[in-house]
Amino acid sequence: EPEVTQTPSHQVTQMGQEVILRCVPISNHLYFYWYRQILGQKVEFLVSFYNNEISEKSEIFDDQFSVERPDGSNFTLKIRSTKLEDSAMYFCASKFEGYRLTDTQYFGPGTRLTVL
Amino acid sequence: TQLLEQSPQFLSIQEGENLTVYCNSSSVFSSLQWYRQEPGEGPVLLVTVVTGGEVKKLKRLTFQFGDARKDSSLHITAAQPGDTGLYLCAGAPTDSWGKLQFGAGTQVVVTP
Repeated sequence: EPEVTQTPSHQVTQMGQEVILRCVPISNHLYFYWYRQILGQKVEFLVSFYNNEISEKSEIFDDQFSVERPDGSNFTLKIRSTKLEDSAMYFCASKFEGYRLTDTQYFGPGTRLTVL
Repeated sequence: TQLLEQSPQFLSIQEGENLTVYCNSSSVFSSLQWYRQEPGEGPVLLVTVVTGGEVKKLKRLTFQFGDARKDSSLHITAAQPGDTGLYLCAGAPTDSWGKLQFGAGTQVVVTP
């Protein structure tokens, strides 16, 4: 069964460093998302991406964050200058349909980002 | 922001018992998904409900979407230790093209 994959599974970085989290969505999906989950808290929406541009983003997704689909398979989240509070699990998700009534999203296993 | 409230936060039951988890909001959602999440892993989709009043069954799990599309429930019949996990509901707001709003989750523990 097709699945969303993410690399790396765990990333440790120093505060102020740039990180790139990678995702390979399900191949025929059209919509891509990043969410994050701080330990012990809710899963929070960061950004959605369709047709090579951001379609929606949350207040969390400030100028330090960017997303890119550099080729036909990868979807990346870049954090330019990491802060301690960026430590969290980051989940990539994708869906095929564009219609609101079938908003089923499939999630990857996550990347645990630890900022020291 | 449309908030989804899940209750209870924690549920511990014996094997063979039934349980119900609730997901409530004051806002309308175009659809609602239920996921299960294991520690350190991503949410795994269980079901999507779309139509108000809809009931879906997956083996011993029954999912219901409220008539007004503001609430949902997950009922597990004859729970087994393998049902232990964090159950999350996530709604798609009507004014959004895809972001999901998650509840805080219900931790279910089924003991043999």
